[in-house]
Amino acid sequence: IAGITQAPTSQILAAGRRMTLRCTQDMRHNAMYWYRQDLGLGLRLIHYSNTAGTTGKGEVPDGYSVSRANTDDFPLTLASAVPSQTSVYFCASSEGSGGSTDTQYFGPGTRLTVL
Amino acid sequence: GQNIDQPTEMTATEGAIVQINCTYQTSGFNGLFWYQQHAGEAPTFLSYNVLDGLEEKGRFSSFLSRSKGYSYLLLKELQMKDSASYLCAVSDSNYQLIWGAGTKLIIKP
Repeated sequence: IAGITQAPTSQILAAGRRMTLRCTQDMRHNAMYWYRQDLGLGLRLIHYSNTAGTTGKGEVPDGYSVSRANTDDFPLTLASAVPSQTSVYFCASSEGSGGSTDTQYFGPGTRLTVL
Repeated sequence: GQNIDQPTEMTATEGAIVQINCTYQTSGFNGLFWYQQHAGEAPTFLSYNVLDGLEEKGRFSSFLSRSKGYSYLLLKELQMKDSASYLCAVSDSNYQLIWGAGTKLIIKP
């Protein structure tokens, strides 16, 4: 593994189903982030984690949850998917643990379609 | 509210120079990033400005004016591979990135 990996690459999901998007980084970065990217809109922050064991809410957290049990993994869960959650989801990481501006590095993304 | 404005789309010719502008209004400012994103791929880091002035990095340069809430990305000697979206993002008072919608740059031969 080099950098950030995400799984699955793409997924079609029935509304109401539960889904977990996986994100793993091997750079030992402290901070990790989940964004969604929709056509015509900028990347929007869903949740973030400044360090293992802590998480915070971003701009659009409703309908999503995260956990950060260790440094490397930061899964994003949709408890009951709705069509408005159709989007491309990017996981990112940065070296610092909050309180500073660090370059964010992105995973390849997960394209999710909720029908 | 917080706002980042960029043109939606620009077209330029191979070998030419193009300037992509970004204006911002944010709660606090802790630096401005430019990222490149090819279609279907992840954003990749291009540049970071926190002080006023021009930062040059090969064919790419980025300029910042904090008093005007303005930045631009300058791409010289355009190549076909530069066809991509260019994203402007500002680090706000909480060190969270606020992203513009991106500028799609089309390069014509």
